[in-house]
Amino acid sequence: DTGVSQNPRHKITKRGQNVTFRCDPISEHNRLYWYRQTLGQGPEFLTYFQNEAQLEKSRLLSDRFSAERPKGSFSTLEIQRTEQGDSAMYLCASSLAAGGGYGYTFGSGTRLTVV
Amino acid sequence: AQTVTQSQPEMSVQEAETVTLSCTYDTSESDYYLFWYKQPPSRQMILVIRQEAYKQQNATENRFSVNFQKAAKSFSLKISDSQLGDAAMYFCAYRSPGTPLVFGKGTRLSVIA
Repeated sequence: DTGVSQNPRHKITKRGQNVTFRCDPISEHNRLYWYRQTLGQGPEFLTYFQNEAQLEKSRLLSDRFSAERPKGSFSTLEIQRTEQGDSAMYLCASSLAAGGGYGYTFGSGTRLTVV
Repeated sequence: AQTVTQSQPEMSVQEAETVTLSCTYDTSESDYYLFWYKQPPSRQMILVIRQEAYKQQNATENRFSVNFQKAAKSFSLKISDSQLGDAAMYFCAYRSPGTPLVFGKGTRLSVIA
């Protein structure tokens, strides 16, 4: 197992364009999380899935953001009509669902720059 | 809502010395977990140590240990025999069952040779 994989590592896009990021979690992990991290800040929760079900969405996740995990394996995060304020590192993490004591395994993130 | 506060934006330590990073949190839950994560310049978050709230014994992982004060809602990280590779952002995080991790804003640790 190679851990949590995120693609692409970097994305530069023009304002108003749509972007999609992919996350491949650890295969036996049934929970998958998306976080956003801006420079000098801690990660902020966006949404998470248990298997294919999206269980919680943060109010940070505006209508322009959508996430899917169609078969309970990989997940995609799409941002429509990107804005400069969307520039950030988008982190994906996965964990086992049992209890709350499991830490998350994070991917290396996708750095989005909106110009 | 649960909050995690790290009051030290930056800290520095001499190589081989000991440093303590502070973290406080706010919760009304009795069952929860606390974590310290390290984020080196390569940006991948790595779990350093975790603590179950119901355990009185402080967690230890090699050179890393915590001082968990449940009544004070304090969870500090002590790094002993600091090494150059310890230089990173350190994030304190909280989680109660069924909720996602909540992170503090982080402390940037520099290690001076």
